[in-house]
Amino acid sequence: GAVVSQHPSRVICKSGTSVKIECRSLDFQATTMFWYRQFPKKSLMLMATSNEGSKATYEQGVEKDKFLINHASLTLSTLTVTSAHPEDSSFYICSARSGFKGYEQYFGPGTRLTVT
Amino acid sequence: TQLLEQSPQFLSIQEGENLTVYCNSSSVFSSLQWYRQEPGEGPVLLVTVVTGGEVKKLKRLTFQFGDARKDSSLHITAAQPGDTGLYLCAVGNEKLTFGTGTRLTIIP
Repeated sequence: GAVVSQHPSRVICKSGTSVKIECRSLDFQATTMFWYRQFPKKSLMLMATSNEGSKATYEQGVEKDKFLINHASLTLSTLTVTSAHPEDSSFYICSARSGFKGYEQYFGPGTRLTVT
Repeated sequence: TQLLEQSPQFLSIQEGENLTVYCNSSSVFSSLQWYRQEPGEGPVLLVTVVTGGEVKKLKRLTFQFGDARKDSSLHITAAQPGDTGLYLCAVGNEKLTFGTGTRLTIIP
């Protein structure tokens, strides 16, 4: 149990366009989902926390108007990178947590975004 | 300054050797987690340690939480190529803060 999927696994987009990444909890209800960013050979950096039905809470330095997060249901959160630039190229990873399973976060397999 | 400093940053050893990686901080934590991440994948939880001085074993992996709950170590015995990956320590309940990571390569 506790499987999290992400779609797409890889995406290439042109500068100035927007791209949406989906994060789904497949076999549990995720009251909270987290979005992380990981640069090559670096660790994970938390971008934002989203609770179902509420606005996301962004970490310091993360532009909320650029990285739009929606958590409209207990099994789906989306991250939209708006007006993408090459510096937005990164590995984006989501995680999900069920309020009934304690604090453990279950991670998705990540989405590789390349902006050309 | 990173909250969690891991060392070494990179480690490449021969199959069959033993190794230890460290996760250090000046802060005290109620618990600490270790994850392994393979290329192109999300991190997978290996263990959570909660008590100062606690030792947990997972097959050939031994995890220890420092007595003061400020640091932790991961020891791998007789490393195998399948142990290759990025090892991350992390702290936090509501939100996770990850360490700087140790990239381990086991050479067959």
